[in-house]
Amino acid sequence: AQKVTQAQTEISVVEKEDVTLDCVYETRDTTYYLFWYKQPPSGELVFLIRRNSFDEQNEISGRYSWNFQKSTSSFNFTITASQVVDSAVYFCALSEPGPWGAQKLVFGQGTRLTINP
Amino acid sequence: EADIYQTPRYLVIGTGKKITLECSQTMGHDKMYWYQQDPGMELHLIHYSYGVNSTEKGDLSSESTVSRIRTEHFPLTLESARPSHTSQYLCASSDLLGQHEQYFGPGTRLTVT
Repeated sequence: AQKVTQAQTEISVVEKEDVTLDCVYETRDTTYYLFWYKQPPSGELVFLIRRNSFDEQNEISGRYSWNFQKSTSSFNFTITASQVVDSAVYFCALSEPGPWGAQKLVFGQGTRLTINP
Repeated sequence: EADIYQTPRYLVIGTGKKITLECSQTMGHDKMYWYQQDPGMELHLIHYSYGVNSTEKGDLSSESTVSRIRTEHFPLTLESARPSHTSQYLCASSDLLGQHEQYFGPGTRLTVT
């Protein structure tokens, strides 16, 4: 069965610090997708990144970067020079194939990130 | 930018009432999903649809039901609400060409008293 583990329930740092959110996954599928979503206090889930299992290149988008390592089944997310606006709950998710192209998402428990001024 | 809408945003209702949570998307996506998020933050898939007239149960058992009569509309119904149904309900959609990312609505926060 698919499983995603985000071991850090809560992280609190001071603004401008770098912070890494850990994500470890389990799957028997050879083709799968990994995602990170952000959930601000308003409640909606905002898509941040998708990674497929064949692409292990790390990705950087502004202050955000992602490190995908198949050998350790990890997909970690780093925020550089954190800002107060980064405060949110962050979810890592793994896709589970369903019928007719549906992709069911299995979410981790979420990490609540608080950036203090 | 995704266009997916949920109404109501907040609902407080008494035990035993029938409720329908609305979800609509204007992107023509064929796949739609309902997730339940408990107060401890975890999200679980409760229903999904891969097209009109298809509905499937997700990984978390739910007493709710769904229907998919039109591509853009995927309502969720609780015939008799109970306090255990208190949760946030998030609707999402995706298409095959969108490489599987799901776009989420703003959610409905349901409280059953």
